[in-house]
Amino acid sequence: GDSVTQMEGPVTLSEEACLTINCTYTATGYPSLFWYVQYPGEGLQLLLKATKADDKGSNKGFEATYRKETTSFHLEKGSVQVSDSAVYFCALYSGGGADGLTFGKGTHLIIQP
Amino acid sequence: DTGVSQDPRHKITKRGQNVTFRCDPISEHNRLYWYRQTLGQGPEFLTYFQNEAQLEKSRLLSDRFSAERPKGSFSTLEIQRTEQGDSAMYLCASSLRGSPSYNEQFFGPGTRLTVL
Repeated sequence: GDSVTQMEGPVTLSEEACLTINCTYTATGYPSLFWYVQYPGEGLQLLLKATKADDKGSNKGFEATYRKETTSFHLEKGSVQVSDSAVYFCALYSGGGADGLTFGKGTHLIIQP
Repeated sequence: DTGVSQDPRHKITKRGQNVTFRCDPISEHNRLYWYRQTLGQGPEFLTYFQNEAQLEKSRLLSDRFSAERPKGSFSTLEIQRTEQGDSAMYLCASSLRGSPSYNEQFFGPGTRLTVL
């Protein structure tokens, strides 16, 4: 079945540091890939997405590229801010059988001033 | 506010009691999803509806769980004879099948269930 593996947290960085959160997946067919973010006390929000190989999703300074050859969708940001502190979830949608999203376990990001 | 709403936001109940949660999706969305999220884990898919039809159920959805979407608008999720293992955040999401971004799901704030 479908699965998503993302790096364990928490990840603690200083403000203005570079960020990479790794995400790899296993899926049938050609899934769509997503990053969702959950700020403290809030619901899940879609951060960015990519629907086919080599697509790059971007939003709020975050980027992720759909790499079919390595089955990866790593989240990157060049300079993080304290306000980026949140839990980040990588997810996929393959639409084959179960029509829900398959999520990773989440990575808690802590940015220190 | 035109987002997904859920009610109640928090529910504390005793083991063995029945509970019901409500989800109101974004008004034009025809697909509605339920997920469960336990501490330290990502959301896990439970079931989804297209309009009023329930099209898929996860193996996680035991016989004690039932979901409805009677008129293709709001949905309810009922858990009968709750167990402590049911304690979790229950999330609802909606999407618009037939749009270019049909696989983009919008989530509500969740209902946190605590079973004592």
